[in-house]
Amino acid sequence: TQLLEQSPQFLSIQEGENLTVYCNSSSVFSSLQWYRQEPGEGPVLLVTVVTGGEVKKLKRLTFQFGDARKDSSLHITAAQTGDTGLYLCAGSSLNYGGSQGNLIFGKGTKLSVKP
Amino acid sequence: GAGVSQTPSNKVTEKGKYVELRCDPISGHTALYWYRQSLGQGPEFLIYFQGTGAADDSGLPNDRFFAVRPEGSVSTLKIQRTERGDSAVYLCASSLTRLSATQYFGPGTRLTVL
Repeated sequence: TQLLEQSPQFLSIQEGENLTVYCNSSSVFSSLQWYRQEPGEGPVLLVTVVTGGEVKKLKRLTFQFGDARKDSSLHITAAQTGDTGLYLCAGSSLNYGGSQGNLIFGKGTKLSVKP
Repeated sequence: GAGVSQTPSNKVTEKGKYVELRCDPISGHTALYWYRQSLGQGPEFLIYFQGTGAADDSGLPNDRFFAVRPEGSVSTLKIQRTERGDSAVYLCASSLTRLSATQYFGPGTRLTVL
């Protein structure tokens, strides 16, 4: 059962365009994280959000946690070719009876930014 | 090194063989996690260690999979009687403490079962 749904699954845009990636669940998470993964490498943490309604900015990236802590979005302004990669959201499995710490991942959004 | 390391980076084996995958976490990190990532999917939790003990092994798919962390540092994921469906990238992550939200991932071991 996929507990975190990400959309879109694939996204191909031109350099300079803006984009938003969504991560949705029917359940509440104690925290939610966004990772970026490049081919042949492990995921690298971008941000952790813990408070409902929280907004965090990382240069051109803006992350938002939904008020009910069930969903999140990642917005990239003026995308660059270096933003190309797989973007993964992950939530704590605390709500599903798992031990605190292990993460539930979405399938990811594969972003391609063309020059 | 400063990050999580995993060996080998690639492993090709035949159906029915036994394999061991190694993870060397960041020094001082007490929590260690194994995940499996199939093509086109996000990582899927397998097992979590706090120190030497497996605190949660609920993600292990069956009894062919086993992991150890005897001294609370390096961990080995062991797969017996490998099947073609075991082919995936096996990721290891570590965090400073059990309650730390930040998990640092290694580059993974790509396992191919022929």
